[in-house]
Amino acid sequence: EAGVAQSPRYKIIEKRQSVAFWCNPISGHATLYWYQQILGQGPKLLIQFQNNGVVDDSQLPKDRFSAERLKGVDSTLKIQPAKLEDSAVYLCASSPWQAAPTETQYFGPGTRLLVL
Amino acid sequence: KQEVTQIPAALSVPEGENLVLNCSFTDSAIYNLQWFRQDPGKGLTSLLLIQSSQREQTSGRLNASLDKSSGRSTLYIAASQPGDSATYLCAVELRGFQKLVFGTGTRLLVSP
Repeated sequence: EAGVAQSPRYKIIEKRQSVAFWCNPISGHATLYWYQQILGQGPKLLIQFQNNGVVDDSQLPKDRFSAERLKGVDSTLKIQPAKLEDSAVYLCASSPWQAAPTETQYFGPGTRLLVL
Repeated sequence: KQEVTQIPAALSVPEGENLVLNCSFTDSAIYNLQWFRQDPGKGLTSLLLIQSSQREQTSGRLNASLDKSSGRSTLYIAASQPGDSATYLCAVELRGFQKLVFGTGTRLLVSP
């Protein structure tokens, strides 16, 4: 079974530029998550999709971050304009929608963003 | 607001030692608690998942315990190996939300 795919793996941009990340979840997984992991910290949930609808985006800085999941499969996360503090690893994860206490999330390798 | 704390932040041990990683959380209304492993440049891999009704889970040399009343979990690694070197993260799933709240992690180094 193929895992969660993310691209690019690394990105270096200057502040005020725009950047986009792509994620393809495990086939059949209805729920997709984007996390931000700043160096030395645990991942922080930015947005959660159930199929192509947003379940939780309470921690997404909506003035500069946007995300979409068209057709309920792959997803893109965009930052415009980027700030220095956006330097982090952006992780995508997916899970089946079963609402069961035994179900975990499956993570992609992440995109490492450096804003100069 | 749920907060998850892990201590120590870093740990260095010689190969063969048994070790314990600690995780504490502030709100006991959790769905489950998970321990993940993160290797440099890679994503997270789930190691153990303990449902809120369970007290512990075991997988090979790993044993995780959960005490909801005190808001604590421990990950016990027996007979550590250099291949165990990684960052270990605990995360609690909030009841009804399928949403994980992560701790800051413990960076483990096992020396040959």
